[in-house]
Amino acid sequence: EAGVAQSPRYKIIEKRQSVAFWCNPISGHATLYWYQQILGQGPKLLIQFQNNGVVDDSQLPKDRFSAERLKGVDSTLKIQPAKLEDSAVYLCASSLDGLLTDTQYFGPGTRLTVL
Amino acid sequence: AQTVTQSQPEMSVQEAETVTLSCTYDTSESDYYLFWYKQPPSRQMILVIRQEAYKQQNATENRFSVNFQKAAKSFSLKISDSQLGDAAMYFCAYQITYTSGTYKYIFGTGTRLKVLA
Repeated sequence: EAGVAQSPRYKIIEKRQSVAFWCNPISGHATLYWYQQILGQGPKLLIQFQNNGVVDDSQLPKDRFSAERLKGVDSTLKIQPAKLEDSAVYLCASSLDGLLTDTQYFGPGTRLTVL
Repeated sequence: AQTVTQSQPEMSVQEAETVTLSCTYDTSESDYYLFWYKQPPSRQMILVIRQEAYKQQNATENRFSVNFQKAAKSFSLKISDSQLGDAAMYFCAYQITYTSGTYKYIFGTGTRLKVLA
């Protein structure tokens, strides 16, 4: 089966600019996750969707970050405006139903550099 | 609050030898899952092994096995017969379960494993 797809793979922007990332989960997966992975740290969950509803966005900086999953399939994560500290790899993951026995599958990530 | 600690930022192992990566966690829950994920330089995270807390038997997957000490809240990963392809960042993760039955992971800071030829 095809894995989790993300684009772009790399993005360089200047601070205060806007940027958007796209994720296509594994077909049939109801749960989608966006993580931020700063260099030298483990991934941190930003937002979790169950179908097109938000399960957890407690660590999403809502003043500048937004995410949507309109039809319960693809998702976009937007940063507006970007700050230097947003430089990180943004990982998307999906799982079948988000239940206890589930497994998360990760995409290759988007490396964002903010200058 | 649940936390996951990996105290070894970097480890090295000779090819064909055995290495153990450490992980400790903090939780007040009695039933949970623990995971080890591998992240090669291409950055795609891959599940290595999972352990259910209510199972006393340590999980194994081919050359990978865990030493799960529930009372000590310790979850170490042992890689036997190390191969060059094992070189990667290894992340330990703890699964938090929501009341709805869905869950999320808390990741440690990772251990970079180098395999020497």
